[in-house]
Amino acid sequence: GQQLNQSPQSMFIQEGEDVSMNCTSSSIFNTWLWYKQDPGEGPVLLIALYKAGELTSNGRLTAQFGITRKDSFLNISASIPSDVGIYFCAGYLVAARQLTFGSGTQLTVLP
Amino acid sequence: NAGVMQNPRHLVRRRGQEARLRCSPMKGHSHVYWYRQLPEEGLKFMVYLQKENIIDESGMPKERFSAEFPKEGPSILRIQQVVRGDSAAYFCASSPQGMNTEAFFGQGTRLTVV
Repeated sequence: GQQLNQSPQSMFIQEGEDVSMNCTSSSIFNTWLWYKQDPGEGPVLLIALYKAGELTSNGRLTAQFGITRKDSFLNISASIPSDVGIYFCAGYLVAARQLTFGSGTQLTVLP
Repeated sequence: NAGVMQNPRHLVRRRGQEARLRCSPMKGHSHVYWYRQLPEEGLKFMVYLQKENIIDESGMPKERFSAEFPKEGPSILRIQQVVRGDSAAYFCASSPQGMNTEAFFGQGTRLTVV
């Protein structure tokens, strides 16, 4: 089955700094999604990407669907304490009819 | 418009008992997906259902696990004769037109087998 390599596994940054995380795959995907999960909660959809090369923003978040369809990145600008959580990438392949998740990036924002 | 509702939020079962997890999708969503998350891991696909049909159960363990999404009522994930290794968070997601559109997740059911 498809596998997603998400990096980094964890990040410690100062409040106000920018953050970047990415996912790569050996397989192509039709859709890339980015989710955030807080402790004890379900994943919350942040950004959805549907076309290769697409660059989409949601407030301080920006994500891109790689040209090769095998990768995606998420940037968070000017981080704030509430950005703390686990960020997951997820890829959807029409033929597989399921979302494949990365292993997550644990983000800690230091005051 | 309520989000995806899962209950119970927490479930404790003794080894050998049955666990029943419920998921009510968002209004207007007819596609439901169940995922399992072990501590400090990502979500692993289990099963994809539409009303009254199982579309893809390739992620379901071959024994003890079953899922349904009846014409009326919530989707149910059923685990028979639970074992300690079944302890995990189980998440349900729903979408209006299949997973290539936005899928929204519930808050999950945390199953603990003692």
